[in-house]
Amino acid sequence: NAGVTQTPKFQVLKTGQSMTLQCAQDMNHEYMSWYRQDPGMGLRLIHYSVGAGITDQGEVPNGYNVSRSTTEDFPLRLLSAAPSQTSVYFCASSYSSGSVSDTQYFGPGTRLTVL
Amino acid sequence: KNEVEQSPQNLTAQEGEFITINCSYSVGISALHWLQQHPGGGIVSLFMLSSGKKKHGRLIATINIQEKHSSLHITASHPRDSAVYICASGSASSGSARQLTFGSGTQLTVLP
Repeated sequence: NAGVTQTPKFQVLKTGQSMTLQCAQDMNHEYMSWYRQDPGMGLRLIHYSVGAGITDQGEVPNGYNVSRSTTEDFPLRLLSAAPSQTSVYFCASSYSSGSVSDTQYFGPGTRLTVL
Repeated sequence: KNEVEQSPQNLTAQEGEFITINCSYSVGISALHWLQQHPGGGIVSLFMLSSGKKKHGRLIATINIQEKHSSLHITASHPRDSAVYICASGSASSGSARQLTFGSGTQLTVLP
């Protein structure tokens, strides 16, 4: 199994540009999520999905869109990039959609810089 | 709202030392996770606790539900243990039972 994969690893955008961060998992996990990690702060939840066709907002959803058309893929779209979105983005998945006890599997992260 | 505090923020130890990292949370929880973030950035899960104590190799995690506190211990520390250690709590009383609240991490450096 490849686990959770993310592309790209690094990205530089100009203010106002849009882009999609890709996330895929091959473990047949129901739950997928996107986090951002900023210096001095804990991981913060952007959006999550409990299964194909079902998504919901997390703690910091503004400026981001998600969709989940398949179990495997959970892309994160930045609609109009802003410098405040400069961060490291992690995708994660877990087996069950209903429990905070499940082991979280993280992708390698995407380092995004918005100029 | 659940808040998670870790201490210390930074910790430097000599190889072989016993290390303790602390995590406190503010509301009753159903799960407490310890994670390790490697220098290259990858994050892996170490433990999930809902009560008591768990041990994996040189790592030991404990939780005291009444005091809302968890500790991660590393025995016989080694330079390869150098990483950021993150705790995260999951509360059944949160808006979504699936959401975790993360601490800001403890940067551990073990010197040879």
